[in-house]
Parts: sequence; C-alpha cells; structure tokens
Amino acid sequence: EPEVTQTPSHQVTQMGQEVILRCVPISNHLYFYWYRQILGQKVEFLVSFYNNEISEKSEIFDDQFSVERPDGSNFTLKIRSTKLEDSAMYFCASIVTGGETQYFGPGTRLLVL
Amino acid sequence: GENVEQHPSTLSVQEGDSAVIKCTYSDSASNYFPWYKQELGKGPQLIIDIRSNVGEKKDQRIAVTLNKTAKHFSLHITETQPEDSAVYFCAASGGGSYIPTFGRGTSLIVHP
Repeated sequence: EPEVTQTPSHQVTQMGQEVILRCVPISNHLYFYWYRQILGQKVEFLVSFYNNEISEKSEIFDDQFSVERPDGSNFTLKIRSTKLEDSAMYFCASIVTGGETQYFGPGTRLLVL
Repeated sequence: GENVEQHPSTLSVQEGDSAVIKCTYSDSASNYFPWYKQELGKGPQLIIDIRSNVGEKKDQRIAVTLNKTAKHFSLHITETQPEDSAVYFCAASGGGSYIPTFGRGTSLIVHP
C-alpha cells in the first residue's frame, strides 16, 4: 500500500539554525499539507499546498516558514531560524484530487536546543 | 473558525469492554468527520470517517455516530483489545476547506 514518507525521522538543531524537513507524498496525490504536534498536544495545521503554491496557511506559518516542491516527488518544509518553541513533531500529509481523506507520514521529531 | 472539543482525555478499559470517545464541533458548515489513531512514534492513521449525510457508520468493531443538530459525533470501539491502545483524534472539516480541525486527543489504554 502506498504511503507518505518523511526524512529525517529525528533532527536536533541549535536555536537560530535552518532546518529542512522532507516529505515524499503518495505519488498520485496533488494536495500536500504540513502539520505540527507539540508533545502531548493536538495536531495543528501549518500550511496546504496545491499546484505549486500555498493554498492556505495558519497563523503559525509565519515568515520563518516556507514550503517548496523542488521536484516531482519531494515536498519540503523549511524553518529559517529555529526557535526553542519550534520543537515538535512535524507531519506531512497528502490527499488525492477530489478526496477528503488525508494520509499522514510518520513524522519528523524536531528538537531545538 | 472551527473548534473541536474531545472527551475524555484519557480512557482506561479492560480488554473486551467497549470504549466511547465523544467530540463536539462548532461550525455547522462542517460536513466531514474523520477519526485518526496515532500509535507511539507514528503519524495519525485514518480508521473511520463519516459525512454529514449519514448518521452512523460501522466497520467491524469500530462505529461512528453523528448528531448534526447537536453538533457532536462519537467513536465506539467494541470488544477492545490491547492493540487498540493508542491516542485517538477526532477532526472536523468542511464549509469549503479540506483542512481538518483536530480535537486534543484521547489516550485509550486497554488492559489485558
């Protein structure tokens, strides 16, 4: 069964450093999403992406965040200058065109020191 | 925007018992209600969903009910097994947006 994959599974970085989280959505899916989950809290929407542009974004997704689809398979989330409060689990998700069910990847656990 | 409340935050049951998790939503335009199971160290996985034109849906030991008037929906797991232990999230979306709003999650513990 096809699945969303994410790399790395864990990332430790120093405050102020840039990080790039990578996702490979399911191949025939065209809508992509990033969510974050701070430890013990609910899953929060960050951004959605379709047709090479951002469709929606939350108030969390400020100028420090950016997304990109650099090629036909990868979908990345970049945090330019990480803060301690960016420590969280980051999930990528995708849906097929016309669908509603989001398929989540296993997540990247980001720890900012 | 949409607000989803989920209760209880923790639910402990004996193997074989039933478990019920309840959620309420605020936006009457929401029309899609998925439930996700998140095992430790993994991403949320869809286990069942319901749309607003249906009042109940069942899949083996899992069922979901929806009351549009009261704006609440529930997950029912019968004959619970230890492998059902996980965090369960409800979510709601609709009104022109596919972005689900998640509840805070319920940690279900099934004791053998």
